[in-house]
Amino acid sequence: NAGVTQTPKFQVLKTGQSMTLQCAQDMNHEYMSWYRQDPGMGLRLIHYSVGAGITDQGEVPNGYNVSRSTTEDFPLRLLSAAPSQTSVYFCASSWTGQDTQYFGPGTRLTVL
Amino acid sequence: GQSLEQPSEVTAVEGAIVQINCTYQTSGFYGLSWYQQHDGGAPTFLSYNALDGLEETGRFSSFLSRSDSYGYLLLQELQMKDSASYFCALGGKSTFGDGTTLTVKP
Repeated sequence: NAGVTQTPKFQVLKTGQSMTLQCAQDMNHEYMSWYRQDPGMGLRLIHYSVGAGITDQGEVPNGYNVSRSTTEDFPLRLLSAAPSQTSVYFCASSWTGQDTQYFGPGTRLTVL
Repeated sequence: GQSLEQPSEVTAVEGAIVQINCTYQTSGFYGLSWYQQHDGGAPTFLSYNALDGLEETGRFSSFLSRSDSYGYLLLQELQMKDSASYFCALGGKSTFGDGTTLTVKP
């Protein structure tokens, strides 16, 4: 099992550009989520999904979109990148959302 | 909403025992988890408490008191590789604390 995979590992964007961060899991988990982690801080929930076709907002959803067309994939789209979105982004999956979460390796995003 | 508080830094020596405390506020309780994160790495799951009491997993134990909205992570026989950040997290809206940086000294 690959677990949770994320691409790309690193990305540099200019203000106003858009991009999609990819996340995939091969554990057949229903629950998937996206977090951002700023230096010296904990993880903040951006969006989450409890199953294919179902998504909801987390604590800091503004500027981000998600969709969940399959159980395996949960991409995160930045609509118009801003320097405030410079952060490390982690994708995670679990069976129910209340149990153990498995995290991907992260995407380090810099917006200039 | 949900919020958690934990100390920002803890220092201990190799072989010692250290306790990392976490207090929380939430309107609905869905369990308290602990995660470890090494510099530049992804968080990895350590322990989970849904009910009051102590959960033991090898050198790591976690305690929960729902009446006090309080939990702690206990690390025994500290090793240098335990130097990392430790996060408590509430279920439900998946709210994480800001993390405790543990430094283990020889």
